[in-house]
Amino acid sequence: NAGVMQNPRHLVRRRGQEARLRCSPMKGHSHVYWYRQLPEEGLKFMVYLQKENIIDESGMPKERFSAEFPKEGPSILRIQQVVRGDSAAYFCASSPGTRTEAFFGQGTRLTVV
Amino acid sequence: GQQVMQIPQYQHVQEGEDFTTYCNSSTTLSNIQWYKQRPGGHPVFLIQLVKSGEVKKQKRLTFQFGEAKKNSSLHITATQTTDVGTYFCAGVTSGTYKYIFGTGTRLKVLA
Repeated sequence: NAGVMQNPRHLVRRRGQEARLRCSPMKGHSHVYWYRQLPEEGLKFMVYLQKENIIDESGMPKERFSAEFPKEGPSILRIQQVVRGDSAAYFCASSPGTRTEAFFGQGTRLTVV
Repeated sequence: GQQVMQIPQYQHVQEGEDFTTYCNSSTTLSNIQWYKQRPGGHPVFLIQLVKSGEVKKQKRLTFQFGEAKKNSSLHITATQTTDVGTYFCAGVTSGTYKYIFGTGTRLKVLA
């Protein structure tokens, strides 16, 4: 059973471009969480999704950021018109249910130049 | 909104010394989890506590959940260099499903 897979591991984008981050949860996991981490800081909750549904997006900026978890395929975190302040590590975690152990992916390090 | 603070922010110990990190929530928690993140790595789940006053042990690690379910602690006995990393607590309040991570405690162990 492969772990949570995130790709790409590193992503460089110029200001104004779009960034698409992918997360394939562990097999059998239907709950996905996205977190953002700045260097030497904690993890900030962004969004919680179940298959085809956004359950809680209270941590997502209202503009430029969106997330989806389609019936088939990975969860996608999309950042449009990236700015330097979007540079961070973005972690995805999956779990088989609510309030259970969450398994984190290796993260995507986004650098906006 | 809900806030989860951890102290200390940093801790340097000599190998063999004990270490404790404390986690305090502004709201009552349904349950709490602890994670460890090595430098450059991703968070790895350590344990989950659910009951008021619960104490769990994993080898040299002891985890406690406060009676009021607003605080928790992680104690490591006789630290080793492999314990280096940042320890995060993550709490969830009833009625929600998102885990709010604490600010983390970065542990350095000097050989």
